Amino acid sequence: DQQVKQNSPSLSVQEGRISILNCDYTNSMFDYFLWYKKYPAEGPTFLISISSIKDKNEDGRFTVFLNKSAKHLSLHIVPSQPGDSAVYFCAASDGNDMRFGAGTRLTVKP
Amino acid sequence: DAGVIQSPRHEVTEMGQEVTLRCKPISGHDYLFWYRQTMMRGLELLIYFNNNVPIDDSGMPEDRFSAKMPNASFSTLKIQPSEPRDSAVYFCASSLTSPNTEAFFGQGTRLTVV
Repeated sequence: DQQVKQNSPSLSVQEGRISILNCDYTNSMFDYFLWYKKYPAEGPTFLISISSIKDKNEDGRFTVFLNKSAKHLSLHIVPSQPGDSAVYFCAASDGNDMRFGAGTRLTVKP
Repeated sequence: DAGVIQSPRHEVTEMGQEVTLRCKPISGHDYLFWYRQTMMRGLELLIYFNNNVPIDDSGMPEDRFSAKMPNASFSTLKIQPSEPRDSAVYFCASSLTSPNTEAFFGQGTRLTVV
């Protein structure tokens, strides 16, 4: 079963605007969440993470928000740049293993 | 460090043949993961090791799949016999400590079973 879900397979935004990628999870034991970015023909690379004791973590243009009661997290990219075009994976860990969502393909148009 | 190294990058094989995928994790990393990426399910965890010991293999789809980690610097994922539905990109990743830390991925092996 999919414990981590990314319901939007794709997202298209204009350069300079905000990109919001969403992720939902079902396992309440997850206590650490990560976002990975993947370019074609490459492995995923770590982008940003958040612990369950926080509800927000910011790193430059990237901010992750966590809503534990809703079991939902989101990644905000502001401003979006064409180089941000990639597949973004949400991941969650309960300290034993790490589960990934199906990914969202972000396209940032110039 | 060169990062996580996987080989081969591409593998095309006929149905029924044995396939072996290889992975060299980053030196000093205690955890090693094998993932399979498909369009429908994204990145599926197949199995992971801690200090060369398999911890959770519940994601391995069938008995046709097996994984080993004979030492800290090498792991294999074997499919025998292979089937067309095994076609996917297989990633190996390693992390320094617990799974609650950043995992570093290899470039993946694209497997095509015809």
